[in-house]
Amino acid sequence: AQKITQTQPGMFVQEKEAVTLDCTYDTSDPSYGLFWYKQPSSGEMIFLIYQGSYDQQNATEGRYSLNFQKARKSANLVISASQLGDSAMYFCAMRAPEVQSDYKLSFGAGTTVTVRA
Amino acid sequence: IAGITQAPTSQILAAGRRMTLRCTQDMRHNAMYWYRQDLGLGLRLIHYSNTAGTTGKGEVPDGYSVSRANTDDFPLTLASAVPSQTSVYFCASSEDRGLGELFFGEGSRLTVL
Repeated sequence: AQKITQTQPGMFVQEKEAVTLDCTYDTSDPSYGLFWYKQPSSGEMIFLIYQGSYDQQNATEGRYSLNFQKARKSANLVISASQLGDSAMYFCAMRAPEVQSDYKLSFGAGTTVTVRA
Repeated sequence: IAGITQAPTSQILAAGRRMTLRCTQDMRHNAMYWYRQDLGLGLRLIHYSNTAGTTGKGEVPDGYSVSRANTDDFPLTLASAVPSQTSVYFCASSEDRGLGELFFGEGSRLTVL
């Protein structure tokens, strides 16, 4: 069974500082993908960043970067230079397909980030 | 604007009633999904469909059914609603190639009394 663990229910960060959101995963499949989504208070789900299990470099997208430590099975999200608009719930998710056509994601419980001015 | 449309956005329902949440996408994605979101539990997969005509059970399928008659529509039915089905329901779709990231609808908030 696939499992995603996010151990931080909530975090506070000062504006302009960096914050790291923890995510660990468990799978026996050598080929998998890791995703981070943002859910603002308005409720929509916004895709942020993706890391493939065979990717040699850590993924980056603007102020978002993924600290991928394969041996530790962790995929932490780093948000640099936090902004007030970063206040949201963040979800880590994994795809470890049982069959090639399987694209469903398993999600963690989420971490609420509150950015303070 | 291309995307996923869910209806209704919010509904209060008496226990025992039948309810169908509608989901339509215009991105021609083969794969579609229904998740429920509950505080502290994240998003849990209810049912999914990898292509029109096929469906599969997710993590929490009991009490729910789906159909996929065509590519665009993926309705979720609660045959006899119970209070534990009070939740926010998200429909999503994805391409079956590339990253395959999920695109989500805006959610349907369902309260079962």
